[in-house]
Amino acid sequence: DAKTTQPPSMDCAEGRAANLPCNHSTISGNEYVYWYRQIHSQGPQYIIHGLKNNETNEMASLIITEDRKSSTLILPHATLRDTAVYYCIVSRNNTDKLIFGTGTRLQVFP
Amino acid sequence: ETGVTQTPRHLVMGMTNKKSLKCEQHLGHNAMYWYKQSAKKPLELMFVYSLEERVENNSVPSRFSPECPNSSHLFLHLHTLQPEDSALYLCASSQGRANKLYNEQFFGPGTRLTVL
Repeated sequence: DAKTTQPPSMDCAEGRAANLPCNHSTISGNEYVYWYRQIHSQGPQYIIHGLKNNETNEMASLIITEDRKSSTLILPHATLRDTAVYYCIVSRNNTDKLIFGTGTRLQVFP
Repeated sequence: ETGVTQTPRHLVMGMTNKKSLKCEQHLGHNAMYWYKQSAKKPLELMFVYSLEERVENNSVPSRFSPECPNSSHLFLHLHTLQPEDSALYLCASSQGRANKLYNEQFFGPGTRLTVL
């Protein structure tokens, strides 16, 4: 069963920040939030993951609410190449298989 | 380039054919995975290998037979497939620690399989 809820699709203007929400209200204390994306005709690509603190890397930022029931993936300056399906997954690090849902299809437009 | 390559990228086969998909990872990882992605469906985990031992088999039909001869190579042998097996088959690898797997996974580009 999917443990996360994401909107099926979102649009974002090129150069603007893309904020992708994810609800995971049943997350357990030892479960991490992972984000992957899949560009058309390619394999999924790992983006970022976190437990309870906000995380940032060269691709994106991950904001997790204090109660950990939801999170937001932020692409600070979206480009056309960021058009993809974005998957939010909750999983115990190194223990649970990754269960991919249907994700959010992000369309970045010029 | 993710460091995980798959060949062939496209494959068309008949239901009576036998073919093999190949995956190679150049990342020094010790765990490898096969996933299936059918049209308009989420990715489904098929098999997991850790240190060349199969540790997961998600009720996959026997017409799919995996092989992991070493930690860098993974094969998926196909025989007597059905048209509903047409899908994108993705290979992934990760660096497990001891018997812990499923951390950051690196995916190959996939093999688009069509069964006629």
